Order: sequence, then C-alpha cells, then structure tokens
Amino acid sequence: EAGVVQSPRYKIIEKKQPVAFWCNPISGHNTLYWYLQNLGQGPELLIRYENEEAVDDSQLPKDRFSAERLKGVDSTLKIQPAELGDSAVYLCASSSRQGETDTQYFGPGTRLTVL
Amino acid sequence: GQNIDQPTEMTATEGAIVQINCTYQTSGFNGLFWYQQHAGEAPTFLSYNVLDGLEEKGRFSSFLSRSKGYSYLLLKELQMKDSASYLCAAMDSNYQLIWGAGTKLIIKP
Repeated sequence: EAGVVQSPRYKIIEKKQPVAFWCNPISGHNTLYWYLQNLGQGPELLIRYENEEAVDDSQLPKDRFSAERLKGVDSTLKIQPAELGDSAVYLCASSSRQGETDTQYFGPGTRLTVL
Repeated sequence: GQNIDQPTEMTATEGAIVQINCTYQTSGFNGLFWYQQHAGEAPTFLSYNVLDGLEEKGRFSSFLSRSKGYSYLLLKELQMKDSASYLCAAMDSNYQLIWGAGTKLIIKP
C-alpha cells in the first residue's frame, strides 16, 4: 500500500514569494491534515479536512495561508507571500477512523527555507 | 488548557533498556499515541493505547494510566538505529492530536 506522498521535498524561496505544497493521502483515507513542524518541536496543526470539508482551520494564518482539497483526495497548501518565519517542515498526514482508533500516517514532508 | 510534557533529551547505552515518560492534560481523551521520528524524516506510528495497561510490540512497549494522565514508552535491547526523537501525542474529545515536543534519544555504544 502506497503511503502519503508529498512534493516537493525541498523548497528554497525568497521572502514575499508564493509557494505551494502538494499532498496525496493514502487511498481510502477521508481525513487529511496539514502540519507545520519546527526543529525540536512537535507538529502543529494548520488545517484538518474531512473529505473536502475543512473541519478545523483555527490555526491557519488566513491572511497568507490557504488550502484546498478538491474532490476530497489530493490537497494543496499555499503561502502568499512567504515570510522568513515560515521556514519549517510542512507535513501532510492522513487517517481513516476505525472504531475508536484514528491513527495518522505522515508523508515525508516539505522542508521550506525562506531567504 | 491542553498540554503534553515529556523530557527533552535522554541518553542510553546500546543493548540496555530505556523508559520515556509522558504526562498529558486534554479536554476529553480518545487515546495516547507514540511516534518515532528520525532526523530529517517524518514521524512514524509506533503505538496506540486507549485502555489502562501495557501493550507490547516486539522490543517496544507502551503503558497507559488514564487516571494519572501518564504514559511511557519502553524500549528494550537498544540498537543504534533507535537513536531518534520520540513524540507523545494525546487525542482529545474532538479527535485532535495534542503533541509533545518530543524526546531526543541518544544511544551510545
């Protein structure tokens, strides 16, 4: 079974430029998550989708970040314009609730460097 | 508020046993997860506990006490490849994971 796929793996941009990240979840997983992770910290949730609906975007900085999950499968996270403080690893995860269990599986992440 | 506490860093010797502790406070509780994260890689799922007690999976075991808001991850017969960060995460009543900052485990020969 293929895992969560993300691209690109690495991205270097100058501040004020736009950037986009793409995620393809595990087949059949209806829940998709975007996280941000800084070095030495745990993941921080940006947005959670149930199928194509964003059910939790309270931590998404909506002035510069946007996300979409058309057709409830692939998802794109965009930053426009990027700031120096946005340098981090952006992780995508997916899950499919099985009874009481809702285990999240992560993609390899995109390491963003803003210069 | 919701909070996860775990040690920042631990050191152990190859072949030995190490226990990584985690305490949590969440609004509701739907289970406790442990993930392993090697440097530069994504977190990978290790274990899930929702009932009190010990779950054993090969060299790794995870324990949960719901009344104490406490869990630990036990790693036996340590190998150099076990050097990684170990993330504790508790799931709240909205099925959202509350993450700790991770424990960096250093294994010495």
